[in-house]
Amino acid sequence: QVQLVQSGAEVKKPGASVNISCKTSGYTFTSNYIQWVRQAPGQGLERMGLINPSGGYATYAQKFQGRVTMTRDMSTSTVYMELTGLTSEDTAVYYCARIGPPARTRGWFDPWGQGTLVVVSS
Amino acid sequence: DIQMTQSPSSLSASVGERVIITCRASQGISNYLAWYQQQPGKGPKLLIYDAATLQSGVPSRFSGSGSGTDFTLTISGLQPEDVATYFCQNYNTALALSFGGGTKVEIK
Repeated sequence: QVQLVQSGAEVKKPGASVNISCKTSGYTFTSNYIQWVRQAPGQGLERMGLINPSGGYATYAQKFQGRVTMTRDMSTSTVYMELTGLTSEDTAVYYCARIGPPARTRGWFDPWGQGTLVVVSS
Repeated sequence: DIQMTQSPSSLSASVGERVIITCRASQGISNYLAWYQQQPGKGPKLLIYDAATLQSGVPSRFSGSGSGTDFTLTISGLQPEDVATYFCQNYNTALALSFGGGTKVEIK
């Protein structure tokens, strides 16, 4: 079955960077865009950006421009999300999710990864 | 971005009771709406897409309806395993998709 498995929880100091992986399986890696979303404690879900695994092209939400980089490794069917300049406001659970319709930049998300908790604390 | 207003923020209902959750968009989004279920400590699970299409494998007691700005998710006969947080998502625009604030469903 289609699965997205994310890397484990991270604890970072303010100013540091975090790199989260999202390993996909069960489908053709290049067929579907991958979206990254985060959820801060007690807050709603927030879109961060998406990546086209086929060409590697990524588009980022304005809020994260300059701090986020999304990449992919076609040899392992894995996408990565790096966030730099961390502050306590970046403490959240980060999710990757496959956009359902193939080759579409918009659509429902299915499935989601299990989430990666990032805690930013001095 | 389009604002998605979801209500109620929480509810408590008896097993077997019908539960209705609503989601309102700040502008028309046609039927570009999905519903998800999130159980504690897990990633969200897709229930409904295109406002009313049931995802494969999801129990038929879940249904969705609506178009334009007003949408509903109905659970026809709440079950104990349905305890979770439910939220809506609009995907009208690729770069401005947004989510509702969530509805926490508990058993009375």
